[in-house]
Amino acid sequence: GEDVEQSLFLSVREGDSSVINCTYTDSSSTYLYWYKQEPGAGLQLLTYIFSNMDMKQDQRLTVLLNKKDKHLSLRIADTQTGDSAIYFCAERRTGGFKTIFGAGTRLFVKA
Amino acid sequence: NAGVTQTPKFRVLKTGQSMTLLCAQDMNHEYMYWYRQDPGMGLRLIHYSVGEGTTAKGEVPDGYNVSRLKKQNFLLGLESAAPSQTSVYFCAVKEAGEGIYEQFFGPGTRLTVL
Repeated sequence: GEDVEQSLFLSVREGDSSVINCTYTDSSSTYLYWYKQEPGAGLQLLTYIFSNMDMKQDQRLTVLLNKKDKHLSLRIADTQTGDSAIYFCAERRTGGFKTIFGAGTRLFVKA
Repeated sequence: NAGVTQTPKFRVLKTGQSMTLLCAQDMNHEYMYWYRQDPGMGLRLIHYSVGEGTTAKGEVPDGYNVSRLKKQNFLLGLESAAPSQTSVYFCAVKEAGEGIYEQFFGPGTRLTVL
């Protein structure tokens, strides 16, 4: 079945690293995404990874994929107060019309 | 370019009233989606469209209808609103075809049904 699970809350201090975890169930998923939602706004794509990759790094962001365990993580280095938002993990299979979203992890960054 | 716009931004309805939410895009993307966002439940797909004149049911279609008469517009209708439809509604668009193609989201419509 289709399901994406994430913890709902994470709190970190400014300057620390944040790690947001996600598990998915569809082994056919080819595209895995992290979206960011700031207060009062729609979602915006933050980063993505293909299922044939193990890791992707983009400035302060590192995405790790463990395909065997169907586990995806997003690490934000040197977390800033501006990183406070809801982060959604999402998956889409090859040829699929639909993207399946997790419930979102609300990241609180304490100054 | 405006990208994806939603009208209205806020609305309060009484139980039993009807309304239509409009999603408009200037990105010329084929696929359009309506989601609702509720606390702790993330985004749930209501209906979607893979092209002008086509619509399909998503995960939670009951109580909603949609139409895609023009490629750039996707309308979401509530015929008889219920308090359970109180939510934030998001429209999204995506290019057709394979590839990483992300979904582009509108700013949302906050609907309260009393």
